[in-house]
Order: sequence, then C-alpha cells, then structure tokens
Amino acid sequence: AQSVSQHNHHVILSEAASLELGCNYSYGGTVNLFWYVQYPGQHLQLLLKYFSGDPLVKGIKGFEAEFIKSKFSFNLRKPSVQWSDTAEYFCAVNALRNTDKLIFGTGTRLQVFP
Amino acid sequence: GAVVSQHPSRVICKSGTSVKIECRSLDFQATTMFWYRQFPKQSLMLMATSNEGSKATYEQGVEKDKFLINHASLTLSTLTVTSAHPEDSSFYICSAVEAVSNQPQHFGDGTRLSIL
Repeated sequence: AQSVSQHNHHVILSEAASLELGCNYSYGGTVNLFWYVQYPGQHLQLLLKYFSGDPLVKGIKGFEAEFIKSKFSFNLRKPSVQWSDTAEYFCAVNALRNTDKLIFGTGTRLQVFP
Repeated sequence: GAVVSQHPSRVICKSGTSVKIECRSLDFQATTMFWYRQFPKQSLMLMATSNEGSKATYEQGVEKDKFLINHASLTLSTLTVTSAHPEDSSFYICSAVEAVSNQPQHFGDGTRLSIL
C-alpha cells in the first residue's frame, strides 16, 4: 500500500534558522508530490508541487523542495524561517494511477520563536 | 485563487442525529471533490472521492451507509453523517479539484463535529 512518512513530528526553531522537513513515500510508479501548510485556525494551503521537470521546486514564501527519485524523497527546505512560518506542514503524494487521490503524511508541527 | 467553502464550521449535536456538511467550490467547477477525516495530531485520512453525477467511491473501512455523499452539481458536494454517535466526533475536511488537468486540491476550512 502507498504511504507517506514525515519523520519530524515537531520542530522548534529560532527565527533565521534553516529548515528542512523530511518526506518519504512508498510507491514505485510515477507520482505527483505536494507540500501543504496549515496555519493556526486556517485551512490547508498549497505551498508547492512537483509534477515533472526540474526536481528542485520553488514555492511560495521562500520555500523549496527537492524531489530525489532514487530516495523516494521530497524534503521541504527554507534557508531562514520566520515567526510567521509557525504552522503544520503536510507532505502528500498522488500516485497517477489513482487520478487525483492524495495520500498525506502525518504532518510536522513547526514552531518558530522570535 | 480557488476558494472552497465548507459549512458549517462547527456542529455540536446529540447522539442519533444526522448531520449534513456542505462543500462548495466558489469560483471554479469541480468534477471531483474529496472528503477527509482528521483525528487529533494525526494526518488527513481520505474517506471518499465524490464525483459529480455519479456514486462516490469510498475508501476501505468507510461505511457508505453511515457517511452519505452526494455530488449533485459541479460546485457542491455534501456529506451526511447518519445517526451520529460519539465515535463519529472528528474534524471533517473537504477538498475540490478544478475540472482541468494537473490541478492541486483546494481545501475547505473543515467542520468540527462533536457528538454528545
């Protein structure tokens, strides 16, 4: 069965620190990959997505993610976090055989302190 | 940007009541909508895929008679939790996909359902 693993459940950083959140998936075929963010009290919002092409994807608010096919990974990065980045981050995978169906990771809670 | 409206945002009701949750795509047409359930500190679990004009596709372990889904138009899908019990208390989230290829899902704000 397909699955998505996010190894960091809770990350605490100071402002200006660099961020990397891990995401690994288990599926051998072609996939689309997503990172969603959920700010406190808000709905899920798309940060970035990878469908094809350049494996280094740039999203909103200075986030980027790199798709490494050989490692089945799609880690999220930001060189310098801000207090406003405090949120829950979800990695999701869409196996193309299943059309638009998304499999979500368990999420990573990021807390950034001033 | 694409907006998905989910209503109500919070429901508190007695055991045995049926509760209907609406999911609307406000500025786009959605041939497919999804219903998720999220438990505290856990991920979103897909319950069913709702296709306009046809029967919903339920994930394994989700009771179709318990969670009735109707997708009557390209902008509206409803989830009805029938004869709700305390174990149905959860956070229910819908999402919608535009009727164009390679589009991400857009999510509603979710509905907090509490069954007493």
